[in-house]
Amino acid sequence: IAGITQAPTSQILAAGRRMTLRCTQDMRHNAMYWYRQDLGLGLRLIHYSNTAGTTGKGEVPDGYSVSRANTDDFPLTLASAVPSQTSVYFCASSKSNTGGYGYTFGSGTRLTVV
Amino acid sequence: LAKTTQPISMDSYEGQEVNITCSHNNIATNDYITWYQQFPSQGPRFIIQGYKTKVTNEVASLFIPADRKSSTLSLPRVSLSDTAVYYCLVGDGRRGAGSYQLTFGKGTKLSVIP
Repeated sequence: IAGITQAPTSQILAAGRRMTLRCTQDMRHNAMYWYRQDLGLGLRLIHYSNTAGTTGKGEVPDGYSVSRANTDDFPLTLASAVPSQTSVYFCASSKSNTGGYGYTFGSGTRLTVV
Repeated sequence: LAKTTQPISMDSYEGQEVNITCSHNNIATNDYITWYQQFPSQGPRFIIQGYKTKVTNEVASLFIPADRKSSTLSLPRVSLSDTAVYYCLVGDGRRGAGSYQLTFGKGTKLSVIP
């Protein structure tokens, strides 16, 4: 089934540890995004990538890094996790980085930093 | 990015038509209007997108007046399974102007009552 696969589904992580959230899409979409969702704050953009080989910072990029080595994969790395990074993380993709296409979201990764 | 304003919550009985209005007074010429639906523990799901006038698909209708400063998502004959959070988003679709980044507000929590 075409779509976005995120892994892991959930994770409990000790503060200070490094963690990479995986995101893979099979729709050959050019643009990909990482959002975090917290109660009362809605979804906030962390990082984005318009196309393979390029990335950009979103609204809340501090403490996170991304890479886009190919079209399909867009991993999100927490170099040294802190409790404030406890959240649900959603990866999304879009056919284009222009406004004429909607986003497809993954099912999310629930991360708890203790 | 244009800011959107929508009701925080709405209640409706099963079988009724639900209309959720979103205000976006600062919408720009190139902006598209997109609506997403999110169920608990799932990623947002694209519902409908429009630029002007009326758009209809198998799920909903989107009404956009000529001045485009607001839009109304119409859900016909809602059922209990339509209980979800609905997000209205407005984004810059200019090609080459940088990433088209959707900004999610807090959405409208729709509760369908039996």
